[in-house]
Amino acid sequence: GDSVTQMEGPVTLSEEAFLTINCTYTATGYPSLFWYVQYPGEGLQLLLKATKADDKGSNKGFEATYRKETTSFHLEKGSVQVSDSAVYFCALGKAGGGNKLTFGTGTQLKVEL
Amino acid sequence: GAVVSQHPSRVICKSGTSVKIECRSLDFQATTMFWYRQFPKQSLMLMATSNEGSKATYEQGVEKDKFLINHASLTLSTLTVTSAHPEDSSFYICSAQVGGNTGELFFGEGSRLTVL
Repeated sequence: GDSVTQMEGPVTLSEEAFLTINCTYTATGYPSLFWYVQYPGEGLQLLLKATKADDKGSNKGFEATYRKETTSFHLEKGSVQVSDSAVYFCALGKAGGGNKLTFGTGTQLKVEL
Repeated sequence: GAVVSQHPSRVICKSGTSVKIECRSLDFQATTMFWYRQFPKQSLMLMATSNEGSKATYEQGVEKDKFLINHASLTLSTLTVTSAHPEDSSFYICSAQVGGNTGELFFGEGSRLTVL
């Protein structure tokens, strides 16, 4: 079945450092890919998404490119801020599957001054 | 963005009792809501899809008599864990869908259930 694997955390970075959180997936067909972010005490929020190969999703300085050849959707940000500290979830949605998402385990990011 | 609220955020109960968790869409109507559970250091696992006015659709391996879902209005879905046992202790999360089948999902903040 479908699955999502993302790097274990926590990831601890200094402010202004470069961020990469790896995400790879296993799925049949052509799924949509998502990154969700969960700030402390809040629900998951959609950060960005890509619906087809080579699409790049971007939002708030974060980017991820849908790479079908490597089945990856790595999240990157050039310069993190303390306010980016949160848990990040990679997810896939099966083509035609509506909103039934398969999630990764989440990666906690801590950004320090 | 739209707001989804869960209540309670934390609940502790004795083994054998039933616990109800509410999921409300505060500023929009949601014909479809989803319920997930998350064990420590594991993924969110979809438990069931809740449709307003009809029976929920459960994922394989989820006991429908154990996890009762009611979606009686366009802004409220409830999950009742019946005869709870310690192995039911988990983090339960709901999401609500705006618009049609591919509409954006908005998530509640989650409810942590601890069964003693």
